[in-house]
Amino acid sequence: GQNIDQPTEMTATEGAIVQINCTYQTSGFNGLFWYQQHAGEAPTFLSYNVLDGLEEKGRFSSFLSRSKGYSYLLLKELQMKDSASYLCAVVDSNYQLIWGAGTKLIIKP
Amino acid sequence: IAGITQAPTSQILAAGRRMTLRCTQDMRHNAMYWYRQDLGLGLRLIHYSNTAGTTGKGEVPDGYSVSRANTDDFPLTLASAVPSQTSVYFCASSLLAGEENTQYFGPGTRLTVL
Repeated sequence: GQNIDQPTEMTATEGAIVQINCTYQTSGFNGLFWYQQHAGEAPTFLSYNVLDGLEEKGRFSSFLSRSKGYSYLLLKELQMKDSASYLCAVVDSNYQLIWGAGTKLIIKP
Repeated sequence: IAGITQAPTSQILAAGRRMTLRCTQDMRHNAMYWYRQDLGLGLRLIHYSNTAGTTGKGEVPDGYSVSRANTDDFPLTLASAVPSQTSVYFCASSLLAGEENTQYFGPGTRLTVL
């Protein structure tokens, strides 16, 4: 079967750093996406990784290890507006996205 | 319009009724998708279309049908709604189907079937 695991909920403090992990077991691998979804809104694209290593984009970075079936999203200098759900999605052998249930991130002042 | 629009925004529907959710994009994207999102579960693919004139079944296609008569529109039809189809439905599109093709989402339709 195909499985994407993420923590259900995390809490962090404004100004701090938080790492959201994603582990996956899928039929094939053709890349991994991270999306952000604010409550009641649509998911929006954050990052895409297909090769091992770290991709940095401003305050957000995403890491991938294909051999370990593992990725993380790193958020620095947290702001209140970063309170949202973060969705991990893997592109499988059929080039369809398999989605994790998402991690709800709560930012406290 | 710019991006993807969906209609209606929300709908309450009696069980057994037929309903069509509309999705239109103006980005000239070739691929389009319908997902449902339920609490505690990831987005689940209902149907997809890699290009105008073609459609395919996703993970949870039963009870739903789609058509893709042109590039811009991708309606989703519930032939006879049941309470288990209560969900938030998102339409998405990508330039192409395949790897590294970022999907862009519409604002969603919140559907309640009573």
